[in-house]
Amino acid sequence: GAVVSQHPSRVICKSGTSVKIECRSLDFQATTMFWYRQFPKQSLMLMATSNEGSKATYEQGVEKDKFLINHASLTLSTLTVTSAHPEDSSFYICSAEGRMTDYGYTFGSGTRLTVV
Amino acid sequence: QKEVEQNSGPLSVPEGAIASLNCTYSDRGSQSFFWYRQYSGKSPELIMSIYSNGDKEDGRFTAQLNKASQYVSLLIRDSQPSDSATYLCAVNLGGGADGLTFGKGTHLIIQP
Repeated sequence: GAVVSQHPSRVICKSGTSVKIECRSLDFQATTMFWYRQFPKQSLMLMATSNEGSKATYEQGVEKDKFLINHASLTLSTLTVTSAHPEDSSFYICSAEGRMTDYGYTFGSGTRLTVV
Repeated sequence: QKEVEQNSGPLSVPEGAIASLNCTYSDRGSQSFFWYRQYSGKSPELIMSIYSNGDKEDGRFTAQLNKASQYVSLLIRDSQPSDSATYLCAVNLGGGADGLTFGKGTHLIIQP
């Protein structure tokens, strides 16, 4: 089945630094990848949609200069949280939709970001 | 504004009984509907997808969709303690280019 690998699973960083999260589709080509954020006891909120080879589309209220998304290949998308602040601490989850799947949204295992 | 509403629970069900989870959505253009299970600290895992009105069964799980009422539900038969989790309802407009809009989830507890 479709597998999405997300790395790292957990990261602690200092306020003001940047953190990069990787999302890889291991056994299929992901034309579109999605990035979600989940705060404690809240649901997943879509942050942005990235399409291979083009600019990401950000949801309303999400700062594109703060959350940089790169989808340079059909198997890799990265999310960089720039100048992280404690309020950016959250669970970040990617998902991928591939040409071969029946709109099956496969999720990565998530990244727990803690900014101190 | 697309919205997906779920009762947050907790919903407590005895082991072996049927658990019924409900979800309503606001966008009439929604075409694809999903139920995910999420354990604490983990990412969601897909349980069921449904696209047409009616029932769809997969093992102990049955998804029900009523587009006229903008309502989707999930039934879990013969509930097991391992089914205890948060169940997320998600919808999208049907295309693979669209992300999902999630409800806040229903916390289900199966009592042994």
